[in-house]
Amino acid sequence: DTGVSQNPRHKITKRGQNVTFRCDPISEHNRLYWYRQTLGQGPEFLTYFQNEAQLEKSRLLSDRFSAERPKGSFSTLEIQRTEQGDSAMYLCASSLAGLYNEQFFGPGTRLTVL
Amino acid sequence: GIQVEQSPPDLILQEGANSTLRCNFSDSVNNLQWFHQNPWGQLINLFYIPSGTKQNGRLSATTVATERYSLLYISSSQTTDSGVYFCAAMERYSTLTFGKGTMLLVSP
Repeated sequence: DTGVSQNPRHKITKRGQNVTFRCDPISEHNRLYWYRQTLGQGPEFLTYFQNEAQLEKSRLLSDRFSAERPKGSFSTLEIQRTEQGDSAMYLCASSLAGLYNEQFFGPGTRLTVL
Repeated sequence: GIQVEQSPPDLILQEGANSTLRCNFSDSVNNLQWFHQNPWGQLINLFYIPSGTKQNGRLSATTVATERYSLLYISSSQTTDSGVYFCAAMERYSTLTFGKGTMLLVSP
């Protein structure tokens, strides 16, 4: 049984570049979530999908951010024109929709924008 | 949205000591989870506990939903228990709102 996986684990980029992260959820989970965590804070919700539909987006998700889950399996999170304030850990989680909806997290992608 | 507050923010223990971490939330919840974040940033699931009491080895948790709080108990702490403990609550059947965490350091 594999858990949630994320790639890459680390990404260093220069300001203004575009970056893309990938998340593979637990195989039977139909919900997939993206969170962002900055130093000293708890994770903050960005967006989530149920199957391929993006059901909710946080106000934190500026128009430079876009997320997709084209076939209801893996998801990608793209950040365009990165800024230094985008430096953070990006966490992906998955769960089953329903009354019992425990979320399980991947190892995260740590983004550093120089 | 729901507010989640954790206390204490920091805790230093000697190995073998017991501790209690608290999580208060501002509204009724459908889901409450406790996590341990290891030094590499991985969130490890400890408990899914929207109400009641659960135990897993040296760890146990209690959520009193009507009074809007949850407690995480760590007994006979070990150095490997060090790290950040997060409580996260879900008020609708969708997303988790996290507290700021409790940083635990267990010294030998």
